[in-house]
Amino acid sequence: GAGVSQSPSNKVTEKGKDVELRCDPISGHTALYWYRQSLGQGLEFLIYFQGNSAPDKSGLPSDRFSAERTGGSVSTLTIQRTQQEDSAVYLCASSSGAGAKNIQYFGAGTRLSVL
Amino acid sequence: GEDVEQSLFLSVREGDSSVINCTYTDSSSTYLYWYKQEPGAGLQLLTYIFSNMDMKQDQRLTVLLNKKDKHLSLRIADTQTGDSAIYFCAERYSSASKIIFGSGTRLSIRP
Repeated sequence: GAGVSQSPSNKVTEKGKDVELRCDPISGHTALYWYRQSLGQGLEFLIYFQGNSAPDKSGLPSDRFSAERTGGSVSTLTIQRTQQEDSAVYLCASSSGAGAKNIQYFGAGTRLSVL
Repeated sequence: GEDVEQSLFLSVREGDSSVINCTYTDSSSTYLYWYKQEPGAGLQLLTYIFSNMDMKQDQRLTVLLNKKDKHLSLRIADTQTGDSAIYFCAERYSSASKIIFGSGTRLSIRP
């Protein structure tokens, strides 16, 4: 597609349920990033993929959070046993990974609300 | 350590210039970025500057970099209502793939 696509755009879930968030990067982009943006906060890095592997997953806040990427394209961020503090906007970005500029292009995000 | 700091709010009159400031901590940063986030949208790259530059101009946008003080600024000339958004400063280290973002500055325009 023309840009980074994320789905769903909004997700409301009950505490304790699992959720899956999807990211479709720009076609041909080898690098993919997940960030979390809590209300009124900046962006918190979660995980970075180069191809299907994740060289940096240092930002995942707990073992309830996991992510995978298949075929060097679509990525899924899974949050198990959701808690209220997981409520945030989850943003995905992709980049070509080439060159030092590493310009990241962002999707519109998934707004997660945990009741 | 990794830290990018910005003031949280800025209010300017329509037609005036807006100056959004940012400080960062790592002198080995290679690229510094300004992103814009409009309500309900993702982040849009506005401009970036390489660390060996002092200034970059792009239409109404001027980026100034003071490496000695680790200070970055974004000037928006002739600010319009469409410039209302949150502006994020970000830095990337030479050896890293991730980008560190500031908390964002919310720019509001008054008539």
